[in-house]
Amino acid sequence: AQSVTQLGSHVSVSEGALVLLRCNYSSSVPPYLFWYVQYPNQGLQLLLKYTSAATLVKGINGFEAEFKKSETSFHLTKPSAHMSDAAEYFCAVSKSSSNTGKLIFGQGTTLQVKP
Amino acid sequence: DADVTQTPRNRITKTGKRIMLECSQTKGHDRMYWYRQDPGLGLRLIYYSFDVKDINKGEISDGYSVSRQAQAKFSLSLESAIPNQTALYFCATRSEGGSEQYFGPGTRLTVT
Repeated sequence: AQSVTQLGSHVSVSEGALVLLRCNYSSSVPPYLFWYVQYPNQGLQLLLKYTSAATLVKGINGFEAEFKKSETSFHLTKPSAHMSDAAEYFCAVSKSSSNTGKLIFGQGTTLQVKP
Repeated sequence: DADVTQTPRNRITKTGKRIMLECSQTKGHDRMYWYRQDPGLGLRLIYYSFDVKDINKGEISDGYSVSRQAQAKFSLSLESAIPNQTALYFCATRSEGGSEQYFGPGTRLTVT
């Protein structure tokens, strides 16, 4: 069975500081991995995805993530936080070989950005 | 206009009432999904559908039913609402062969 663990339900950083949101996954088959962002009172928006191409994935708004198979991790980073990055972030996994496309989500991490 | 829309956006209902949440999409995708979001639990899959004749249960389908009226429409029903179904509900779509899902804005449901 697949699972996703996001370490830290709340992360607080100062504006301009590095953002690091942690995601570890468990999958018996090669996974597809995703990071979604949810701004207040909005739906989920895809930040970036890993689908077995380059292991370093660049997304929107200056975010990137690196797929590390040996560590079963897909951590999300951004060099310099902006106030507008305050939101909830979800890591998700699906089976690359699956036709259903079912996503398994982590618990979510709320990012607070302090001025 | 949004590609995936959900109605209503907010709903308050009483225990025991039947309620339907609706989802429509203009993306032309064949796959549609219903999730619920609870604080600290992320999103969990309720039902998913590949086409109007193909409906599948997700991990938390008890107490819910769905209807795929057309390729573009996928409705979620709570036959007899209970307070622990208070949550944020999301509809999502995906194309055959695609990898990512596209989410609607969500419906906030409160059962009193």
